[in-house]
Amino acid sequence: EAAVTQSPRNKVAVTGGKVTLSCNQTNNHNNMYWYRQDTGHGLRLIHYSYGAGSTEKGDIPDGYKASRPSQENFSLILELATPSQTSVYFCASGDAKGAEQYFGPGTRLTVL
Amino acid sequence: GDSVTQTEGLVTLTKGLPVMLNCTYQTTYSPFLFWYVQHLNEAPKLLLKSSTDNKRTEHQGFYATLHKSSSSFHLQKSSVQLSDSALYFCALRESNYNVLYFGSGTKLTVEP
Repeated sequence: EAAVTQSPRNKVAVTGGKVTLSCNQTNNHNNMYWYRQDTGHGLRLIHYSYGAGSTEKGDIPDGYKASRPSQENFSLILELATPSQTSVYFCASGDAKGAEQYFGPGTRLTVL
Repeated sequence: GDSVTQTEGLVTLTKGLPVMLNCTYQTTYSPFLFWYVQHLNEAPKLLLKSSTDNKRTEHQGFYATLHKSSSSFHLQKSSVQLSDSALYFCALRESNYNVLYFGSGTKLTVEP
């Protein structure tokens, strides 16, 4: 059973539209993360969370919001999508010890 | 601030040859280093991790040694296989124990 799932797996959005990417984990981990992956940049941290109700800014938070309504769910929200946000987005979960992060399968987002 | 450098963006080798992928880091705190591997169209997965100076850690034929004196954690394998073709990321656990800094990644291609 996949422990970290993401939806949708693929998304095409229009410039200026609102996009919500969802992540669910069954690892019972306190920490969850949103990354984007672009060629030449590796994985860059957008937002992360220590638990339900908390969100923290990562390295590239501009243009993104996050929501952690429960231990299991962590959403990434693009209020006004732009073509520069075209990327592959990964969600991950990790325990409080920080020894390892478990990644979801990714969401490929294209903003036209 | 904390950072991770991977100098090779692309490495191409013939099956059976040894490989070393470079990773150096910068931090003012006690380092905890990771190697993640990402096969095509898959999620990144943990390959190796270490926080112990000068101790070799191994998994699935790959090995790495954390050298605090040179701030390095290079990934090695004595004989690469076709299935080793993937993207390899080095990562540094940030001081607050909950955030990872990823390098830009090295794409390893193994040819027959």
